Amino acid sequence: DAGVTQSPTHLIKTRGQHVTLRCSPISGHKSVSWYQQVLGQGPQFIFQYYEKEERGRGNFPDRFSARQFPNYSSELNVNALLLGDSALYLCASRIGDPIYNSPLHFGNGTRLTVT
Amino acid sequence: GEDVEQSLFLSVREGDSSVINCTYTDSSSTYLYWYKQEPGAGLQLLTYIFSNMDMKQDQRLTVLLNKKDKHLSLRIADTQTGDSAIYFCAESPSYGGSQGNLIFGKGTKLSVKP
Repeated sequence: DAGVTQSPTHLIKTRGQHVTLRCSPISGHKSVSWYQQVLGQGPQFIFQYYEKEERGRGNFPDRFSARQFPNYSSELNVNALLLGDSALYLCASRIGDPIYNSPLHFGNGTRLTVT
Repeated sequence: GEDVEQSLFLSVREGDSSVINCTYTDSSSTYLYWYKQEPGAGLQLLTYIFSNMDMKQDQRLTVLLNKKDKHLSLRIADTQTGDSAIYFCAESPSYGGSQGNLIFGKGTKLSVKP
């Protein structure tokens, strides 16, 4: 069975540009979350969605936005890129409602480099 | 506040046991997790423990939870070179808008010497 899949795997952008990252959850999983992992740190929570509704937002500026589609896939958008946005962006999925705290399964991430 | 702390490095010899420790702050966390990250890869869920348990064993992995001290440990028996990676401890608070989010430590880099 396919795990969480993310695209692209690597991306290089220039300051001020916009980027869209994509994620497909494990089949049957209805909740998707996004995390940012800066080099040398643990992942930091950005967004969580369940059944197309936002179910939580981390401490990130409004330049970051996301959405979940009817097929449960998700996009993360970042506007006006800054050098500090360079990181590994991880998508994760879980089978049910986040309030039940079922385990999160992560994809391999998208490595974003902003120059 | 929310903070998960881990020691940054651990070095062991192949065949020895490894013990990675973690302290967390949120007593409302219902689950506590261990993830493994190999170079250039995402996070692999290793194991997790429900907060009303003291211990969980899964093949070479043993998780111990001390709720009173908010201390979590991961023991890897018969450590192999393939176990070399960064190990993340994570808690999952169950209050308000944070339900389902994971709060990660900075990770412990395990080096296994042959």
